[in-house]
Amino acid sequence: AQSVAQPEDQVNVAEGNPLTVKCTYSVSGNPYLFWYVQYPNRGLQFLLKYITGDNLVKGSYGFEAEFNKSQTSFHLKKPSALVSDSALYFCAVRDSGNTGKLIFGQGTTLQVKP
Amino acid sequence: NAGVTQTPKFQVLKTGQSMTLQCAQDMNHEYMSWYRQDPGMGLRLIHYSVGAGITDQGEVPNGYNVSRSTTEDFPLRLLSAAPSQTSVYFCASSYSGGQGTSGANVLTFGAGSRLTVL
Repeated sequence: AQSVAQPEDQVNVAEGNPLTVKCTYSVSGNPYLFWYVQYPNRGLQFLLKYITGDNLVKGSYGFEAEFNKSQTSFHLKKPSALVSDSALYFCAVRDSGNTGKLIFGQGTTLQVKP
Repeated sequence: NAGVTQTPKFQVLKTGQSMTLQCAQDMNHEYMSWYRQDPGMGLRLIHYSVGAGITDQGEVPNGYNVSRSTTEDFPLRLLSAAPSQTSVYFCASSYSGGQGTSGANVLTFGAGSRLTVL
């Protein structure tokens, strides 16, 4: 069965510093991987996805993610964090059948301090 | 183009009451799904649908029913509410497309419905 793990409940980083939010996955077959963000009291917004191709995927708001097949990881990164990046981040993997189902990780709260 | 619309945004129920959370999308997406979000648990899939007339269970289906009579609508029914169903519920839709289609497989979420069961 597909699964996703986000090993950190919370990540703290100072504004201007690089940030990384970690995600590891377990799938059968080729992975379809996603990152979503949820700002306080809001719905979820799509950031980026990896289907195939370049291991470094660029997305919205300056975020990027690095796909590493050997380590089964898909870490979210940003070179310079902003206070406004503070939010809850979810990693997800598409279920193996073509059903539109995504399996989500537990979420990681990113706190960026001025 | 409204995207995914959920109603109501907030609801308080008493144990044993029933209600329906409405979800509608105007993007002609074939896939629709319902998730619940609980602190520390992430998003858990309740039910999903791959097209009109076809539904299936997700990770946590007990206590919930769904139907999909049209492509646009995917209501979630709570038959007899329990305090354990206190949660925030999200409806989402997506389409398959080909690998090169930028929006394929990307879930579009509704704004959420916060349900409290007393």
